[in-house]
Amino acid sequence: DAMVIQNPRYQVTQFGKPVTLSCSQTLNHNVMYWYQQKSSQAPKLLFHYYDKDFNNEADTPDNFQSRRPNTSFCFLDIRSPGLGDAAMYLCATSLSQGIGETQYFGPGTRLLVL
Amino acid sequence: AQKVTQAQTEISVVEKEDVTLDCVYETRDTTYYLFWYKQPPSGELVFLIRRNSFDEQNEISGRYSWNFQKSTSSFNFTITASQVVDSAVYFCALSEAYSGGYQKVTFGTGTKLQVIP
Repeated sequence: DAMVIQNPRYQVTQFGKPVTLSCSQTLNHNVMYWYQQKSSQAPKLLFHYYDKDFNNEADTPDNFQSRRPNTSFCFLDIRSPGLGDAAMYLCATSLSQGIGETQYFGPGTRLLVL
Repeated sequence: AQKVTQAQTEISVVEKEDVTLDCVYETRDTTYYLFWYKQPPSGELVFLIRRNSFDEQNEISGRYSWNFQKSTSSFNFTITASQVVDSAVYFCALSEAYSGGYQKVTFGTGTKLQVIP
């Protein structure tokens, strides 16, 4: 089945220690998104790629970076995680980036910062 | 600015009861899309439905139905004969065109539904 895969499902890191979360997709979609979701809150878009074009949300901290080496994979790098970065990180894809495109989500990676 | 309000933070129902989840949105655009997603405890957001602003027909899919009312800017979701497996957080979302040609999706804060056996 075509899907969005995120690894690992749970990640524990130490305060200030860089961490990378990964996402892969078999849907062959052009767009990949990263969302941050804190407990009992709505998902918050961090950035997205349309093919190789990177689009950063204005309020995404510089501490968060992303890489998309090919169509199938996208990585979220947190350079110096703080306690406030503990959250669920959701990867999503859509065929295109236009209005109304359905986003398909992976299972998420829950990040714990000690 | 676009906004999605899900006023019901948590709802508990007994199995087999019907339940309606409310969603009210704000937008200045005439073209927009509305979505509902389900987030079970496992965490994955599961797509349920998409509706564009020009299609006000209600939709039914099994036990699920959606009522879109542009006059009241609402897109409500009803589950008939609820089951324990329906227990999840449900998000309503609004998609509008954004500068650069891509969509801006705004999620509501979600309604947590607990179905009690």
